[in-house]
Amino acid sequence: KNQVEQSPQSLIILEGKNCTLQCNYTVSPFSNLRWYKQDTGRGPVSLTIMTFSENTKSNGRYTATLDADTKQSSLHITASQLSDSASYICVVSAMITTDSWGKLQFGAGTQVVVTP
Amino acid sequence: EAGVAQSPRYKIIEKRQSVAFWCNPISGHATLYWYQQILGQGPKLLIQFQNNGVVDDSQLPKDRFSAERLKGVDSTLKIQPAKLEDSAVYLCASSFKDSYNEQFFGPGTRLTVL
Repeated sequence: KNQVEQSPQSLIILEGKNCTLQCNYTVSPFSNLRWYKQDTGRGPVSLTIMTFSENTKSNGRYTATLDADTKQSSLHITASQLSDSASYICVVSAMITTDSWGKLQFGAGTQVVVTP
Repeated sequence: EAGVAQSPRYKIIEKRQSVAFWCNPISGHATLYWYQQILGQGPKLLIQFQNNGVVDDSQLPKDRFSAERLKGVDSTLKIQPAKLEDSAVYLCASSFKDSYNEQFFGPGTRLTVL
């Protein structure tokens, strides 16, 4: 079973509207959570990185939240633009210990389509 | 700074043929990753190098896939022989020290196996 689950799988929104993407994880011990944006035909690009002590982080019109107690994160896109059309991937890193080298767990991504 | 470079960008081969992909990470990055991304899915780690040593290759199909990172810089990923299910995008990424650090991804190589 995937340790990182994202929802919805895909969504279509009108230009200028807001949307929120969800990420639930079971990775333990938790180190950090990242949101990546992947445009079609390109590699993922990091949007935000949060450790367990951070509960919100913004990058322009993107705002990520983290609730380490419930193991949930969200990515909010404000005033969407056509260029926001992409796949958004949630990635959770386990802590590096003597038994773990901090493996990254990737979600399947949410495909966002922004229409005019 | 220059990003992660990969080549080729696209490759079409027939099943049972061999193929190799090349990756040049960001200068000074110790850790290099190869991922397989099947259409509609998130990337799956195939192998992780720390300098020129292998940290994790638990999901690498070792009967057909091999990878090396000579001198701890460039890396090659080889598939021999290829199967239809190997059709995917192969992403290379690098990070400064370890998986705590941000990963920077290359543009990927799209492989189609006919």
